[in-house]
Formats: sequence, structure tokens, C-alpha cells
Amino acid sequence: SAVISQKPSRDICQRGTSLTIQCQVDSQVTMMFWYRQQPGQSLTLIATANQGSEATYESGFVIDKFPISRPNLTFSTLTVSNMSPEDSSIYLCSVRQGESRYNEQFFGPGTRLTVL
Amino acid sequence: AQSVTQPDIHITVSEGASLELRCNYSYGATPYLFWYVQSPGQGLQLLLKYFSGDTLVQGIKGFEAEFKRSQSSFNLRKPSVHWSDAAEYFCAVGNTGTASKLTFGTGTRLQVTL
Repeated sequence: SAVISQKPSRDICQRGTSLTIQCQVDSQVTMMFWYRQQPGQSLTLIATANQGSEATYESGFVIDKFPISRPNLTFSTLTVSNMSPEDSSIYLCSVRQGESRYNEQFFGPGTRLTVL
Repeated sequence: AQSVTQPDIHITVSEGASLELRCNYSYGATPYLFWYVQSPGQGLQLLLKYFSGDTLVQGIKGFEAEFKRSQSSFNLRKPSVHWSDAAEYFCAVGNTGTASKLTFGTGTRLQVTL
């Protein structure tokens, strides 16, 4: 299994500012993902964080708004840029060891973001 | 495109009663199906998964789910609910590509009364 920690666990931010969320895993993992869970809604995949290269974004998400870094196999960051109240969500880091779809996907505890 | 529907937003059951949470999926090929549970302040935990083979899948915490291709369903069941089962439950479908991205349903919030 993989143990995932996220910082911060929650934050309240002002409109127009940016917040960087950190994801740390206790073991090396191949796949890292970032999800958004808006209030009362399901989890939506934002992007796949690729080590040493640009992240792969899903439709509706762009790098300028959600820049992602992944410097190594255990760490990634997601920045929410120029925030608006619509960005208020829980942001979750998720990992999978190995590329095989049969491997379990683990989720972090999430970062609860409120934008005023 | 794949999709998941969880028709029940909120369900309340008495402790000791049986439970069934509904999940319907849309996917063009044989799906990979998952059930996750999210307790307050916790990350998602995998309850069980279906890839192939026996359509009745056993999971952790006494949960099971049955894959019914004819109904495009993957309902989650538990014969006797415990108060600690109160949580949010998510059904998800994974595509068959290398990245195997998960698409989640909107979730069902389970409340357990004593």
C-alpha cells in the first residue's frame, strides 16, 4: 500500500491569489494524479502528473490555471492559480504503483480549499 | 466516453439492516469497476474491484458487489450494516487504456441510525 499526505489539509484564500498543494508519498510510485471534488459533486480528474515532463491535463483543465510539478517519484505539487470562488473544492492526490490498471489506486486525505 | 450513475444521493438504514447501493455504468467494452468509501476527513479507500471472472466480488469490511452486464450495473451490498459504515460511497469505472483513468459517480451518502 501507499500512504499519502497532503499539505495543507485546508485553507481559506482570497480571490485572485494562488495556492500550492503538496502531495508526498511514502514510497516510489509510477502514476500520480490530481482530482477535484466540488461541493456535492463527484471526483473529477484534473491531470496526470508525469515525472520530469509536463503533466497531462484532462479536457477543461489547463496548465496556466493548474500548474503541476513532479520532481521525483514520491512528490508532486498542484497550484490553483488566480483563484475564484468557483475553485472552492477538495483537491485530492492519488497514486498507483506501476502502470498496470490492475494495481490499486490510493488517495490522499485531500485539501479543502475555500475561496472568498 | 465512460460514465457512472449513482441514483441515490442519500440513504438511511438502521444498524443491522441490509444495504444495497446502486451503480450503473456506461462503457463500450468490458469495464473495470470499483467501489470506494470516503469517511469524513479521510481519503478514499478501495472496498472492492471487478476486472473479470466471477461476477460476485467480495471486498473488505463485509461488502460485496455483483456485476450484471445485462443491466450495466455493479451494486454494492452488505447483509448487516454497522454504525461505522456511515460514509460516502463512490462507484467508479476504469477504462482499458494504459493509464486506466477512473471516472467516478456522484456518490451516495449513507447514514446509519441506531
